[in-house]
Amino acid sequence: GENVEQHPSTLSVQEGDSAVIKCTYSDSASNYFPWYKQELGKRPQLIIDIRSNVGEKKDQRIAVTLNKTAKHFSLHITETQPEDSAVYFCAASRTGGGNKLTFGTGTQLKVEL
Amino acid sequence: SQTIHQWPATLVQPVGSPLSLECTVEGTSNPNLYWYRQAAGRGLQLLFYSVGIGQISSEVPQNLSASRPQDRQFILSSKKLLLSDSGFYLCAWRDRGKETQYFGPGTRLLVL
Repeated sequence: GENVEQHPSTLSVQEGDSAVIKCTYSDSASNYFPWYKQELGKRPQLIIDIRSNVGEKKDQRIAVTLNKTAKHFSLHITETQPEDSAVYFCAASRTGGGNKLTFGTGTQLKVEL
Repeated sequence: SQTIHQWPATLVQPVGSPLSLECTVEGTSNPNLYWYRQAAGRGLQLLFYSVGIGQISSEVPQNLSASRPQDRQFILSSKKLLLSDSGFYLCAWRDRGKETQYFGPGTRLLVL
């Protein structure tokens, strides 16, 4: 089955700096890669996703890049703000079989003033 | 628009007691439904998923079971809870033909 590894497990940045979280996946058939943000005690919320036919996607301060050959994808947050502090999860899935998501272990991002 | 409900929001149960958690989705038909568990400070583990009424696929063998008695209702059950069943239980749904999964508000379960 799919295995998703995520690094780093914790990340501390100064407000206004950029943050980068990286994930690798094992199943070359995976074709959908979402990123979720989970604030303390809340449900995970989708913030951005990318499909395997696209190399990069951007939404305001958030961007995701995908390298299918190397089987890794990354989340980039620019101009970080205190409200970006949360746990971020990457995930991967393939079409069929219920489109099950396999999640990474999460990154605790702390944006310091 | 679609909404997803879970109840109860929190639950404290003794070891060995039964469990029933409910999830319902509104505003969509024939969704795929999922149950995840998140242990404290950990990632999300897929427990069960369903592609239709009465169709359940189990991902992790354990003392939990799932049922889908109606199109937009997904139930997670146990006959006898273990201490290790404590965690944050999240239900999620997905429209057929689309990839994105959306999570419900979750049920926080503490087994004592």
